[in-house]
Amino acid sequence: AQSVTQLGSHVSVSEGALVLLRCNYSSSVPPYLFWYVQYPNQGLQLLLKYTSAATLVKGINGFEAEFKKSETSFHLTKPSAHMSDAAEYFCAVRARGSGNTPLVFGKGTRLSVIA
Amino acid sequence: NAGVTQTPKFQVLKTGQSMTLQCAQDMNHEYMSWYRQDPGMGLRLIHYSVGAGITDQGEVPNGYNVSRSTTEDFPLRLLSAAPSQTSVYFCASTLRGPGASYEQYFGPGTRLTVT
Repeated sequence: AQSVTQLGSHVSVSEGALVLLRCNYSSSVPPYLFWYVQYPNQGLQLLLKYTSAATLVKGINGFEAEFKKSETSFHLTKPSAHMSDAAEYFCAVRARGSGNTPLVFGKGTRLSVIA
Repeated sequence: NAGVTQTPKFQVLKTGQSMTLQCAQDMNHEYMSWYRQDPGMGLRLIHYSVGAGITDQGEVPNGYNVSRSTTEDFPLRLLSAAPSQTSVYFCASTLRGPGASYEQYFGPGTRLTVT
């Protein structure tokens, strides 16, 4: 079964500092990978997705993620944190090949940005 | 397009009461799913549907029923509410098919409290 592990339930960075949120997946075949963001009292919004094209994926709001097959990782980064980035971030995975397999989410990482 | 809509936004139930959470999408997506979100648990899949007339269980299906009579609608029924079902519920829909990356579109959520 597919699964994702997000390292760190809470990450705190200073405004302007690098943001790094970690995600590792378990799968023998590279899956589809996603990062979602959830602002307080809102639904989930897609940040970016990996579907098998370029391994470095650029998303909205200056975020990007790099797919590393050798490390089974899909870490999310942003060079310079902004106060508006404070939110909860979820990594998710879906197996390839069968459209019937559901999306599996990690437990989330809450990002705090300190002024 | 309205995307994915959910009603109600908030609901308070007494233990033992039943209710239906409504979900509708106007994107002609075949795949729809229901998640619950609890602190520290991420999003957990309750039920999903790969098309009208077809449903399947997810990770935490007990206490919930679903049906899919049309492509657009996917209601979630709580048969006899319990305090453990206090949560935020999200409905999502996904475009499947060749070349589709299966990203999910989420509704705004329903915050349910069972007393």
